Amino acid sequence: DTAVSQTPKYLVTQMGNDKSIKCEQNLGHDTMYWYKQDSKKFLKIMFSYNNKELIINETVPNRFSPKSPDKAHLNLHINSLELGDSAVYFCASSPPGLASNEQFFGPGTRLTVL
Amino acid sequence: QKEVEQNSGPLSVPEGAIASLNCTYSDRGSQSFFWYRQYSGKSPELIMFIYSNGDKEDGRFTAQLNKASQYVSLLIRDSQPSDSATYLCAVTGSGGFKTIFGAGTRLFVKA
Repeated sequence: DTAVSQTPKYLVTQMGNDKSIKCEQNLGHDTMYWYKQDSKKFLKIMFSYNNKELIINETVPNRFSPKSPDKAHLNLHINSLELGDSAVYFCASSPPGLASNEQFFGPGTRLTVL
Repeated sequence: QKEVEQNSGPLSVPEGAIASLNCTYSDRGSQSFFWYRQYSGKSPELIMFIYSNGDKEDGRFTAQLNKASQYVSLLIRDSQPSDSATYLCAVTGSGGFKTIFGAGTRLFVKA
């Protein structure tokens, strides 16, 4: 009955590898997000999709590529992983309506790059 | 200047006291204001949102918004040890889609 789910929960990999994180929401929301939370707990937006269209693309290295096959899914692919990519990545979704923007977060994916 | 600023704390209050958490923001056209609670190792969860100037109460929580001063606060009455967490202030800017989070305030409620 999970509202926003992410896989995997933990990801440990070597520098230079390519990895993907998957996100799915069953809330019927139109907008989905990827956030990065670093070791200082600062939560920073990376990307946002609204009905499969990219609407927010922050200053993120182009090694990060989001993909939204449909409005219930938003995946994040990371090429050539670097040590600094180690963080917790949260997927989130929000209901329709510009005045809303309440975010519902997934459980997070803890990425460790060795 | 950071877009959303919070005192990182930690803020320590005794059980039963009122905890007061503060947040300021830089975008004067901001539309929506949120407080999230994040327990260690968990994801943020929404506890309050406010769109209009004034106070909004929900149980032990009260959110206060002053758009003229660009200031949002969260009051937690009758604080409990289970309230110990990091509280994140979040603001949706004038564009409507992008929500900026503050760095969070760590709250400790001592039993």
